[in-house]
Amino acid sequence: DAKTTQPPSMDCAEGRAANLPCNHSTISGNEYVYWYRQIHSQGPQYIIHGLKNNETNEMASLIITEDRKSSTLILPHATLRDTAVYYCIPVTNDYKLSFGAGTTVTVRA
Amino acid sequence: NAGVMQNPRHLVRRRGQEARLRCSPMKGHSHVYWYRQLPEEGLKFMVYLQKENIIDESGMPKERFSAEFPKEGPSILRIQQVVRGDSAAYFCASSNRGGYNEQFFGPGTRLTVL
Repeated sequence: DAKTTQPPSMDCAEGRAANLPCNHSTISGNEYVYWYRQIHSQGPQYIIHGLKNNETNEMASLIITEDRKSSTLILPHATLRDTAVYYCIPVTNDYKLSFGAGTTVTVRA
Repeated sequence: NAGVMQNPRHLVRRRGQEARLRCSPMKGHSHVYWYRQLPEEGLKFMVYLQKENIIDESGMPKERFSAEFPKEGPSILRIQQVVRGDSAAYFCASSNRGGYNEQFFGPGTRLTVL
């Protein structure tokens, strides 16, 4: 699976959009990009995934660059409950999700 | 619709004892995955099971650890003769099939070895 680079931490104001970048320059053609988050002391939670096209669901939007070397997770209106560690995970075989260090997002009132 | 359930949520064992961690997948899910999260680290894959079958145990330590997912009942992760280094959070996840589907995680079992 491809290696990823995410900023270690970022702050976001409540009610504003949070844009979380992920670099996955070595991603292969059949690797999806999955995003999970882990709120403190809880199990990870699936957010969204995509292959080539931008995706949107009730939680977030995922923007994947045309060359697929990077992506951005967008939380449109961050709330205090969105404070968590966010993981960007390229996946071919989903049963081996590999969680790196992720980005610790702190939403401030 | 109940999610993935794990019990116990907290487990304390003394060195040399056995630890049994249980996981009930979401209703309709036949694929179970176990992960371990050591303090200050990310989750690491341990084992993937379907009903009555171990599909991939490449992340399991070679000794003292075993897992099963019987035809009836929860999946069990068993750690024999626990050592302090086994102290971690153990998470179970389930999915309705393998492939590109998302995994649903339980709340975890926090094992402390004294």
